[in-house]
This record gives sequence, structure tokens and C-alpha cells, in this order.
Amino acid sequence: GEDVEQSLFLSVREGDSSVINCTYTDSSSTYLYWYKQEPGAGLQLLTYIFSNMDMKQDQRLTVLLNKKDKHLSLRIADTQTGDSAIYFCAERSGATNKLIFGTGTLLAVQP
Amino acid sequence: ETGVTQTPRHLVMGMTNKKSLKCEQHLGHNAMYWYKQSAKKPLELMFVYNFKEQTENNSVPSRFSPECPNSSHLFLHLHTLQPEDSALYLCASSQDKGTGGGYEQYFGPGTRLTVT
Repeated sequence: GEDVEQSLFLSVREGDSSVINCTYTDSSSTYLYWYKQEPGAGLQLLTYIFSNMDMKQDQRLTVLLNKKDKHLSLRIADTQTGDSAIYFCAERSGATNKLIFGTGTLLAVQP
Repeated sequence: ETGVTQTPRHLVMGMTNKKSLKCEQHLGHNAMYWYKQSAKKPLELMFVYNFKEQTENNSVPSRFSPECPNSSHLFLHLHTLQPEDSALYLCASSQDKGTGGGYEQYFGPGTRLTVT
């Protein structure tokens, strides 16, 4: 079946880079997404990458995709305390078009 | 502000009550979704509506009843809920372009539901 996995927790110091990792099992995935959820809020779409791309950069965010290993990562440069949130990886199934979400990674940024 | 609003933001209800959650999207999208977010579990897709027609029902108990009167509004009617139904209920919308392109989902802030 389709499965998306993420580590539960990441702690970094302000100003450092953060790297959040995600693995998925569906080889027919067409798009992969990163969402951010702050306390008491819904999910905010941060960025997405098409499955035939290796990398996408958007300001402080860099997404890397290794399709062979089914591994996706989100790098946040110069991490700020405002980046503290839960980050969700999601893949769009090529078979069903549904979004399959991971359990989320809690990013804690220490001042 | 994502263009998707949900009311109420918080709801406490007893197991015998009937209540409704409301979602409205101002993005001109043609698809709307209900998700359930419970602690330490992946986001669970409950219902999908495309062009007001329900296209997905992920084995959701009948005590949850969706309604989509038009492409901008989505309701979730609740009755005789159980304590394990306590969760954050998220609404999302997207522009479904078919199989040829991606369709990003935009989420509302959610309704925090507590069943007592």
C-alpha cells in the first residue's frame, strides 16, 4: 500500500540549517508536497515538486527528491524561531490522485 | 489566510447532540475535502467532493454526514458522536485539473472538536 514516513522530531539552533526527511513507497507518485502546520492552525502549503525533478529552490527552502530511493527532503536555510512548527510531507498517488500524508515532523528551533 | 474559512473554530458537544461544521472557500476551486487529524496519526481523508458530487467516502461512519450545496461550501453534519471522534477537522479545497497536472490543496484553520 501507499505509505509516507517521517521522523517525529528535529531540534536545531536559530541560524542553522534544518533538514527534514521523508520516505514514501508509491513509485507512481506524480507530485510531492511539503506543508507547515503552526499551533492552532491548518496546514499551509510551503512548496511542491514534480516527480521528474531532482531539486527545487524557493528562497530559504530547498527540496531534494531522490526518486530511485523514494526519498524527499526539505532544507530550511537560516532557520528562525518562526519556523517552529510541524512539517508534513505528502505524495500524490499516481493511481488514485489522493494525497497521502506522513505523520509530520515537529521542528523545534532553539534561540 | 489561505482563502478557506471554517466555523466554528472550537466545538464541544455531548454524544447525543447534533451539530454541523462549515467550510467556505473563496478561491474558485472545484474540489473540496474533509480530513480528520488525530494526535500521532497521519491525516485521514474522510470525504471528497468534485463539482459538488461526492467522489470519495473513506469508510467513514454514518454519524458523519457531508453536504456540498455548491462548489464554495462544504458542511459536515455530526450526530451521536463518540469520544474517539474528538480531533481537529480540516477542510481543504483545490482546483482539480484532472490527471495531467498537480492540484495543490489549500487548508482551512480547522475545527477543534471535543466529544464529551
